[in-house]
Amino acid sequence: GAVVSQHPSRVICKSGTSVKIECRSLDFQATTMFWYRQFPKQSLMLMATSNEGSKATYEQGVEKDKFLINHASLTLSTLTVTSAHPEDSSFYICSYRAYQETQYFGPGTRLLVL
Amino acid sequence: GQNIDQPTEMTATEGAIVQINCTYQTSGFNGLFWYQQHAGEAPTFLSYNVLDGLEEKGRFSSFLSRSKGYSYLLLKELQMKDSASYLCAASNSGTYKYIFGTGTRLKVLA
Repeated sequence: GAVVSQHPSRVICKSGTSVKIECRSLDFQATTMFWYRQFPKQSLMLMATSNEGSKATYEQGVEKDKFLINHASLTLSTLTVTSAHPEDSSFYICSYRAYQETQYFGPGTRLLVL
Repeated sequence: GQNIDQPTEMTATEGAIVQINCTYQTSGFNGLFWYQQHAGEAPTFLSYNVLDGLEEKGRFSSFLSRSKGYSYLLLKELQMKDSASYLCAASNSGTYKYIFGTGTRLKVLA
């Protein structure tokens, strides 16, 4: 399967700061990728769909000005959590859509906002 | 509406067989995926069904009935390392988005 990396794997920040998370597809070029958020003992919730070269599409209830997505190339997408607050603490996971519509997930980034 | 249901928790014994069921209601259905997720890690792909029937991959098999909106994941010869959450996801044609179930936490006991 496709290999996806995420950086950083873990980040702790102060309330009010911004955090950038990178997601890279290491062996596959994908026009479409996805950002998810997962709270403890819950399933993955889709935040947005990111298309290379165009604006991301956000799910209902997700603030696009708070969660900035940049899909600059076929192998790199970034999610920036702006003015982070403790309620933004979560596990953020990206995925790339590959063959047969299968999504391959990055290892996730655990964000803790103090 | 769109909905995916699967049991919250299951327990089984090492060496046994366990079946995790998933029912779904989605528009534009285009395939059913199963993922395994260990605590604190990202989901890893297990199987994909788009046609009715059984897909077998080693100790794991997955079944789909499109007319019934039903799938199951079958795990044979359970091992302790199979203790994880198993996520059922339906893919939407056109958008390629997944709708995930809440996940089934499987505990394998010695």
